[in-house]
Amino acid sequence: RKEVEQDPGPFNVPEGATVAFNCTYSNSASQSFFWYRQDCRKEPKLLMSVYSSGNEDGRFTAQLNRASQYISLLIRDSKLSDSATYLCVVNTNAGKSTFGDGTTLTVKP
Amino acid sequence: EAEVAQSPRYKITEKSQAVAFWCDPISGHATLYWYRQILGQGPELLVQFQDESVVDDSQLPKDRFSAERLKGVDSTLKIQPAELGDSAMYLCASSIQRGKGSTDTQYFGPGTRLTVL
Repeated sequence: RKEVEQDPGPFNVPEGATVAFNCTYSNSASQSFFWYRQDCRKEPKLLMSVYSSGNEDGRFTAQLNRASQYISLLIRDSKLSDSATYLCVVNTNAGKSTFGDGTTLTVKP
Repeated sequence: EAEVAQSPRYKITEKSQAVAFWCDPISGHATLYWYRQILGQGPELLVQFQDESVVDDSQLPKDRFSAERLKGVDSTLKIQPAELGDSAMYLCASSIQRGKGSTDTQYFGPGTRLTVL
């Protein structure tokens, strides 16, 4: 079993839809959590950090559930430009980062 | 905006040849990471440096891969000899972090796409 698991998708949604991705992690010592976005053949870029209390940035909302060891990303009012792969990243308290394999989102007109 | 620089952007080589990749992190970033990303998968950490010291190379295939960051600034990743299975994107990232438990963001360079024939 991988340390960080994501549903690979692909998720194909129409513009304006709401879509949610989950990510589970196995290491209970995990300290910090992130969502990165990766466009085709480009480098990953930070989308948002995930805080214990949950956090929101415009149309994006991230949640953390430590008891069940998963994080989620909710995208509201999807735009064509949201089409990308979304990578879940989990850091241990030793500073080690583990990436999930990503969830691919395609937003269609 | 400061960026992580990598070169070359693309490299095609034949198996059994040696290849080298270079990375220049964002100025002032103490931590440097080399990742390998195979198509359809997430980045996999190969080696992590804190200044000039290796802090994690547990996933680095040491029989053929080597990495150095001699002055704690830029870094080189080498593969010798290259094998067909080494074809992938090699990503370098850096972060400010200086201690354990940091939540610092990792900033990625554009990567080097390696094709081994």
